[in-house]
Amino acid sequence: DAKTTQPNSMESNEEEPVHLPCNHSTISGTDYIHWYRQLPSQGPEYVIHGLTSNVNNRMASLAIAEDRKSSTLILHRATLRDAAVYYCILRTSGSRLTFGEGTQLTVNP
Amino acid sequence: DTGVSQNPRHKITKRGQNVTFRCDPISEHNRLYWYRQTLGQGPEFLTYFQNEAQLEKSRLLSDRFSAERPKGSFSTLEIQRTEQGDSAMYLCASSPGTRGTDTQYFGPGTRLTVL
Repeated sequence: DAKTTQPNSMESNEEEPVHLPCNHSTISGTDYIHWYRQLPSQGPEYVIHGLTSNVNNRMASLAIAEDRKSSTLILHRATLRDAAVYYCILRTSGSRLTFGEGTQLTVNP
Repeated sequence: DTGVSQNPRHKITKRGQNVTFRCDPISEHNRLYWYRQTLGQGPEFLTYFQNEAQLEKSRLLSDRFSAERPKGSFSTLEIQRTEQGDSAMYLCASSPGTRGTDTQYFGPGTRLTVL
């Protein structure tokens, strides 16, 4: 799987939007961009994924750059429950998820 | 649908002992995965099954590790002759289909401490 680069940590205030960046300059044409998050003392959970177009679901939005070399996970109104480690992962046909170190998001009340 | 369950949640053992963990995936999920996570790191892939067939094993899975999924439902991960370096969170995940990009649903993990 191609490599992704994320900031080690980010902070946000409650009820404000959060933009979590991910760089993946070596992405191939068949790589999907997946985001998972891991709350404290829990297993990772799926957030969203996309290929080329921006995607929205009930949890978040995913904005993908036109050249696909970067993407941004957007939490529209952060809550305390969104404090977690967020992982940006590229996947093609392989089944494994290759996690990096992710971004630790802190949400301040 | 009760999600992926793992037992036990915590295991403390002495070096050299054998341990076995169990994972019950979401009902009718074809794929089952094992990952290991050490403190401050993201999870690392160990192995996965499609139904009862073990299709891929990581180089991390030494000869002391063995995983089974005998009837294509629950799975067990056994570690023989445990070492202190085996201390980690062992995570299980399942996915519904056979496409490689299916969403994986994770259990809460089994935390192993080797003394």
